[in-house]
Amino acid sequence: KQEVTQIPAALSVPEGENLVLNCSFTDSAIYNLQWFRQDPGKGLTSLLLIQSSQREQTSGRLNASLDKSSGRSTLYIAASQPGDSATYLCAVLMDSSYKLIFGSGTRLLVRP
Amino acid sequence: GAVVSQHPSRVICKSGTSVKIECRSLDFQATTMFWYRQFPKQSLMLMATSNEGSKATYEQGVEKDKFLINHASLTLSTLTVTSAHPEDSSFYICSASGTSYGYTFGSGTRLTVV
Repeated sequence: KQEVTQIPAALSVPEGENLVLNCSFTDSAIYNLQWFRQDPGKGLTSLLLIQSSQREQTSGRLNASLDKSSGRSTLYIAASQPGDSATYLCAVLMDSSYKLIFGSGTRLLVRP
Repeated sequence: GAVVSQHPSRVICKSGTSVKIECRSLDFQATTMFWYRQFPKQSLMLMATSNEGSKATYEQGVEKDKFLINHASLTLSTLTVTSAHPEDSSFYICSASGTSYGYTFGSGTRLTVV
């Protein structure tokens, strides 16, 4: 059974810092991995999607990497801003069932 | 990009009544839609997978008679919480697949049963 873990569960940093969020998964038979942002009481916004054959994806200040063999992904946020404060969720899409399995999320607070 | 509209965003209902939540793909056809439930400060838990024109597939532990799912067209899926009780209060989110954007999520529905 696939299990997705995110560390840390919560993170508070001063504005301007670069930070890394971690995601690990136990079953490497994934189709892709997606990072989402969720603001309180809102739905999910897709940030980056990495196919299983890819190593990384970049969008603006965000960079996500994927090491499928070791079951790890990282989301790097450069020059963090207070507007980046949100919960970040990673999710893996399983090859066999095409179901998205979510991690528990990292709650990020960027202090002005 | 792909957009999924979910309605209503908030609903309060009395215990014992039923509530219907709609999920629409606005600019693409979604052959498959998914319904999730999220408790406070927890992640999303998949409830069921909805395929257009066929019966939904429910995850283990989810009561199909409690949570009725209908996917009558390629752009609309509905979740009906029947005979709602306070323990059904939660945040419900739908998502749809059908584009290269991966899975697109609705904005969620906050259900409060009083």
